[in-house]
Amino acid sequence: EAGVAQSPRYKIIEKRQSVAFWCNPISGHATLYWYQQILGQGPKLLIQFQNNGVVDDSQLPKDRFSAERLKGVDSTLKIQPAKLEDSAVYLCASSPKQGGSSGANVLTFGAGSRLTVL
Amino acid sequence: AQSVAQPEDQVNVAEGNPLTVKCTYSVSGNPYLFWYVQYPNRGLQFLLKYITGDNLVKGSYGFEAEFNKSQTSFHLKKPSALVSDSALYFCAVRDLSSGGSYIPTFGRGTSLIVHP
Repeated sequence: EAGVAQSPRYKIIEKRQSVAFWCNPISGHATLYWYQQILGQGPKLLIQFQNNGVVDDSQLPKDRFSAERLKGVDSTLKIQPAKLEDSAVYLCASSPKQGGSSGANVLTFGAGSRLTVL
Repeated sequence: AQSVAQPEDQVNVAEGNPLTVKCTYSVSGNPYLFWYVQYPNRGLQFLLKYITGDNLVKGSYGFEAEFNKSQTSFHLKKPSALVSDSALYFCAVRDLSSGGSYIPTFGRGTSLIVHP
């Protein structure tokens, strides 16, 4: 089974520039998550998709962050304009369909995209 | 609201000795509990989970965890540590109460260093 694919692995930009990250989840996984992991902290959820719909984006800084999953498969996370505090690893994860006992579903994570904002 | 605490930023242990990485949680209802491991430059990998039943859960690479409801803890253990176990370990919780989130909340992580 192929894992969760993310690109790019590393990105360095200057503040106020824009950046986009791409994620392709495990085939058949309906739920997709974007997490932000700042150095020394645990992953923090930015947004969760169920198929192509947003389930939770309460912690997404919507003035600068956007995400989409148009066809219910791969997803793009964009930051525009970037700030210094956006320097982090952006993790994409996927899991089977949400609902019922699926709260026990295990998340499968990609390797992450490391962003450095100068 | 659900939350999880990992009180130790770093745990040091000698190879061959038992190890424990601590985790406590707070939920309104019953919890689902998870442990993930993160090796350098890699994503998080699932180790084990507690859903219901036996309080002692066995997982990958010889790890196990004990669910203690009265102490709201879910400590990760291994009888004999290996140098290759050195990594960052994350505890996560989901609250099963009405209105609880299906989205896991992660702790800040504990760095495990196993010395040869």
